[in-house]
Amino acid sequence: DSGVTQTPKHLITATGQRVTLRCSPRSGDLSVYWYQQSLDQGLQFLIQYYNGEERAKGNILERFSAQQFPDLHSELNLSSLELGDSALYFCASSPLNGIGTGELFFGEGSRLTVL
Amino acid sequence: GQSLEQPSEVTAVEGAIVQINCTYQTSGFYGLSWYQQHDGGAPTFLSYNALDGLEETGRFSSFLSRSDSYGYLLLQELQMKDSASYFCAIYSGAGSYQLTFGKGTKLSVIP
Repeated sequence: DSGVTQTPKHLITATGQRVTLRCSPRSGDLSVYWYQQSLDQGLQFLIQYYNGEERAKGNILERFSAQQFPDLHSELNLSSLELGDSALYFCASSPLNGIGTGELFFGEGSRLTVL
Repeated sequence: GQSLEQPSEVTAVEGAIVQINCTYQTSGFYGLSWYQQHDGGAPTFLSYNALDGLEETGRFSSFLSRSDSYGYLLLQELQMKDSASYFCAIYSGAGSYQLTFGKGTKLSVIP
C-alpha cells in the first residue's frame, strides 16, 4: 500500500458525460501528479501540482482540468468524454517539488470506461 | 520534447539475468528512474540514477550514462514474480521536474 488513495476504482459512463476522479496523496506529500495509461501504453503525464499550485503540464486535453485543494487532495475533471478517453488514470505523490529520492508513490488507479 | 526508447517485450528463463535498455532524448535532463508494473496494478519505484554509474538494490541494478543518453535495468536471479512491465522514466525540465515515462518493456519469465 503506497498510501495514495484514488476514488472511484472503476467508473463506467457514456460519451459526452463528465466525471471527476479524486486523489488523496500520502500524508505529508505536497506534490500530486496525474497520469493516463491507455491499453498497452505507457504512462502519459497530464499535470502536476505542488502545494495547491500548478507546476507542470503535459499532454492534457483542454476538455480535462485538475486542481489541488488546501487539504492537498486533488481532483481530475474529464468532460465531453469520448471513447478514446477510456483508460487507467493514476495519481502519484511525492514530498517535494523537486526530485529528492526520485520516487513517486502511485495510487491503484481509477479505471474509466466510456461507452 | 522528450522521447524514450525501450524494447517492447523480453523473455527470459527463471534464474537467469536480463538487461532492459533505455535510450532517451531530452533537454534539461536530471535523472533516470525505473518502475515495475504488474498487470492492472500501480507502478512501483525500483531505482533512480542521477549520476553516471551503477546502482545496486538487491537483485536489481540500474545503470546510467549521461554522455550516451542511455541506461539499463539489470535483473538477476529471475523469479516468476518478476514477470511484469518495466518502465524507464526521465526527470527533465527547467524547474518543473516533469517525469516522462517510456512505453514499457513487458518481461515474461519462463520456467
